[in-house]
Amino acid sequence: GENVEQHPSTLSVQEGDSAVIKCTYSDSASNYFPWYKQELGKGPQLIIDIRSNVGEKKDQRIAVTLNKTAKHFSLHITETQPEDSAVYFCAAIWGLGGGATNKLIFGTGTLLAVQP
Amino acid sequence: GAGVSQSPSNKVTEKGKDVELRCDPISGHTALYWYRQSLGQGLEFLIYFQGNSAPDKSGLPSDRFSAERTGGSVSTLTIQRTQQEDSAVYLCASSPHRGSGNTIYFGEGSWLTVV
Repeated sequence: GENVEQHPSTLSVQEGDSAVIKCTYSDSASNYFPWYKQELGKGPQLIIDIRSNVGEKKDQRIAVTLNKTAKHFSLHITETQPEDSAVYFCAAIWGLGGGATNKLIFGTGTLLAVQP
Repeated sequence: GAGVSQSPSNKVTEKGKDVELRCDPISGHTALYWYRQSLGQGLEFLIYFQGNSAPDKSGLPSDRFSAERTGGSVSTLTIQRTQQEDSAVYLCASSPHRGSGNTIYFGEGSWLTVV
C-alpha cells in the first residue's frame, strides 16, 4: 500500500552542526521526491525536490540524496541555523502505475530543533 | 493571487454543524488537492481534482466529507455534522498540471476546531 516512512521523529542539533533526515517509500514507480518545511501555524513550503534520474541534488546548505534501488532518500542540512528549526516532511509521488492521481504521500514529519 | 488562498483561516464550530472551507488555487493550476493535518501529525490525503476528470475521492474519511470544484478553479470542502475528531488543519494545494514532478504548492490552511 501507500507508505512513506520517515526517521527520526525529532532531532536536536547544535547550531553549526549537520542534520540528516531519512525516508523510505514503498511504490517502486515513484519518481519524484519533494521535501517540505513547515513552520508553526503555516502551510508546508517546498525546500528542495529530486527526480529519479539523479542521485543527488544540492541547493546551498540543503542537499537531497536518492537511492532508487533501496527506495531510500535523505535530506541533509549543513551548518544549521536556529531559523532551520521547523517540522520537515518528505513525500513521494503515488499513482504513476496507471492511476489517474499523481498525489503526494507524506512521511510523518521530523521536528528539527537547532540549539543556539 | 500569488499563492494558494484558503478561507477561513480559523473556524470554531459546534459539534453537529456543517462547515465549508474554501480554496483558491494559483491561477492556471489545473490540479488541486485537499489534505488534512491533525495536531502534531503528518498530512493525510483527502481528495484530488485534475481538470475535468472525475476527482479521486479515495482519501475522504467518511460520507460526511465532500468537495467540489467549480469552473476548474475554486474548490469547497464541506464537512457535514461535524465531530470533534474532525478538528484539524485542512490544507489545500495546487499544481500546474498533471504529471509526475510538477511542484505542488500549499496554502496556509484552515484551522478547524469542533467544540
